[in-house]
Amino acid sequence: DAGVTQSPTHLIKTRGQQVTLRCSPKSGHDTVSWYQQALGQGPQFIFQYYEEEERQRGNFPDRFSGHQFPNYSSELNVNALLLGDSALYLCASSTGLAETQYFGPGTRLLVL
Amino acid sequence: GDSVTQMEGPVTLSEEAFLTINCTYTATGYPSLFWYVQYPGEGLQLLLKATKADDKGSNKGFEATYRKETTSFHLEKGSVQVSDSAVYFCALRKGGSEKLVFGKGTKLTVNP
Repeated sequence: DAGVTQSPTHLIKTRGQQVTLRCSPKSGHDTVSWYQQALGQGPQFIFQYYEEEERQRGNFPDRFSGHQFPNYSSELNVNALLLGDSALYLCASSTGLAETQYFGPGTRLLVL
Repeated sequence: GDSVTQMEGPVTLSEEAFLTINCTYTATGYPSLFWYVQYPGEGLQLLLKATKADDKGSNKGFEATYRKETTSFHLEKGSVQVSDSAVYFCALRKGGSEKLVFGKGTKLTVNP
């Protein structure tokens, strides 16, 4: 049973560029959440997708957007990259309103 | 707003020592509480959880008790191993909200 998978594992971009990160949830899960983890900090909630709709959003600017596909996989898009967007981006999946979120290994983004 | 405060790290212990990592929270209502662990280069793994006051979560020798009166959820282990070296995150999730709110993490190093 595959867990949560994310791609790519690492990414280097320059300021002003756009990036797309991808996540496949754990088998049987229909809900995907995205978190940003800056170096030395705890993860910060970006948003959550359920039934292809954004269900809840954290305190992130509109440059951060997402999408969920009919197969429950998800993408995180970040436009107009800033140096401060450098972080580990974590995807977590769960079923509906279940308590437990299962995390993927993350995508490490470096913005130069 | 809701928040989680963890003891500052890093924490360095010898193998078989007793471990306590303090965690306190600020939130209205009755949140669910979690401990996640992050091994080097990996994503987060759920270690244990508790969903109501006085509940004790336990896993792999780790324990934490949900104390409503002190708004705390301290992590303990009686005898740590080198393989327990990792970063530990305390987190909360309020009913009706999808997001996890994390503390900043505590890095634990266990020496042989």
